[in-house]
Amino acid sequence: QLQQSGPGLVKPSQTLSLDCAISGDSVSSNNVMWNWIRQSPSRGLEWLGRTYHRSRWYTEYAVSVKSRINIKADTSKNHFSLQLSSVTPEDTAIYYCVRAIISSDAFDFWGPGTMATVSS
Amino acid sequence: QSVLTQPPSVSAAPGQRVSISCTGNSSNIGAGFDVHWYQQLPGKAPRLLIYGNSNRPSGVPDRFSASKSGSSASLAITGLQAEDEADYYCQSYGNSRNDFYVFGTGTKVSVL
Repeated sequence: QLQQSGPGLVKPSQTLSLDCAISGDSVSSNNVMWNWIRQSPSRGLEWLGRTYHRSRWYTEYAVSVKSRINIKADTSKNHFSLQLSSVTPEDTAIYYCVRAIISSDAFDFWGPGTMATVSS
Repeated sequence: QSVLTQPPSVSAAPGQRVSISCTGNSSNIGAGFDVHWYQQLPGKAPRLLIYGNSNRPSGVPDRFSASKSGSSASLAITGLQAEDEADYYCQSYGNSRNDFYVFGTGTKVSVL
């Protein structure tokens, strides 16, 4: 199960911060990757980035947000987080934390989603 | 933004068959990467429907099937039911120089 938390309203130029708590799996598992994906009417479904552990931690980001995004795993809390800085109204979207299993590279388990609105 | 092209909507009566196309290019589907399909019920998160071009996860009814050929893929729903009314998205691996994963534009399936 993936449980998301974080503020639903963020002011322009500030940082959007969301957490995803994992139960029934481990953030350090070697056969999964932990992703953030967002969905908006204007941009559709958009993959933002991922983190995963293979003897060390890796992170990879979409080019569209690479200069503004940070995804981190916290093994003590078994969760991973998203930080997106310098937000604009274009970042208004539903944000999902999502597991991908490496055997298929498909997104096999999705969090419920958090509606994040960027507005003053 | 969505890179894979799908028809905006398809519709059919209960019991009928619908098919949804997903068109990519030589950087994604045409490069040999697998296609996955997701179902999104109103107000819900997407759910994995098909993985690896044609495989159904446990719990997905066999009236859902999919295939891939060249730079395109398709999803078919046979014996359409009212509960199948939803948005459907295809997804593949993109060009890692730009983005790792790409999604389709989405297709709304309506049951008449």
